[in-house]
Amino acid sequence: QSALTQPASVSGSPGQSITISCTGTSSDVGGYNHVSWYQQYPGKAPKLIIYDVTSRPSGVSNRFSGSKSGNTASLTISGLQAEDEADYYCSSYRKSSTPVVFGGGTELTVL
Amino acid sequence: QVQLQESGPGLVKPSETLSLTCTASGYSISSGHYWGWIRQTPGKGLEWIATIYHSGSTYYNSSLKSRVTISVDTSKNQFSLKLTSVTAADTAVYYCARGGVATIWPFDYWGQGTLVTVSS
Repeated sequence: QSALTQPASVSGSPGQSITISCTGTSSDVGGYNHVSWYQQYPGKAPKLIIYDVTSRPSGVSNRFSGSKSGNTASLTISGLQAEDEADYYCSSYRKSSTPVVFGGGTELTVL
Repeated sequence: QVQLQESGPGLVKPSETLSLTCTASGYSISSGHYWGWIRQTPGKGLEWIATIYHSGSTYYNSSLKSRVTISVDTSKNQFSLKLTSVTAADTAVYYCARGGVATIWPFDYWGQGTLVTVSS
């Protein structure tokens, strides 16, 4: 069981927007603005697409955006494209003896 | 461009020690940033294992701390992971990654990953 809770799967049609949620507690997601999101294709390493809740690394499409409300962070992908079909993982700082935690991952299917 | 490459045995026997090395290129470890290990299993997803700073400061996942050691060799631009007393539950793809400038997260560059199987 992962430390952060994500839906196992989401789907959407090309051009639509989808949102993936990441639920934690006040000790991690809710208490700090240190949520990151990673995109992973099968057999490949994860790629950082969002950090500090809303920031995008250089080169990441502005179709990817992040937000947070209370103990839940969200990743929104707008203008869905076939190439967005991948697994997405959230991560957060946690005030504990294990300062980095991940969500269980969400499989995105582009219909 | 920062590149990371994991190396080490792909097969480890139960109760033995798993040893992996990550070699960085395109960036000097001694220049800064935190450097970490993350593993991925089908059943548990991504799991952060440990992180080290070039100065030698270390940070561990509390659930693995008793079995894990992370170290750095700045002269070779490498950092390493040792995990003792392995069991089948330690079978995973192990990634090395670069962390933040001032924090051990986020992980902006990753190695390709190396599959380590624990089996006799």
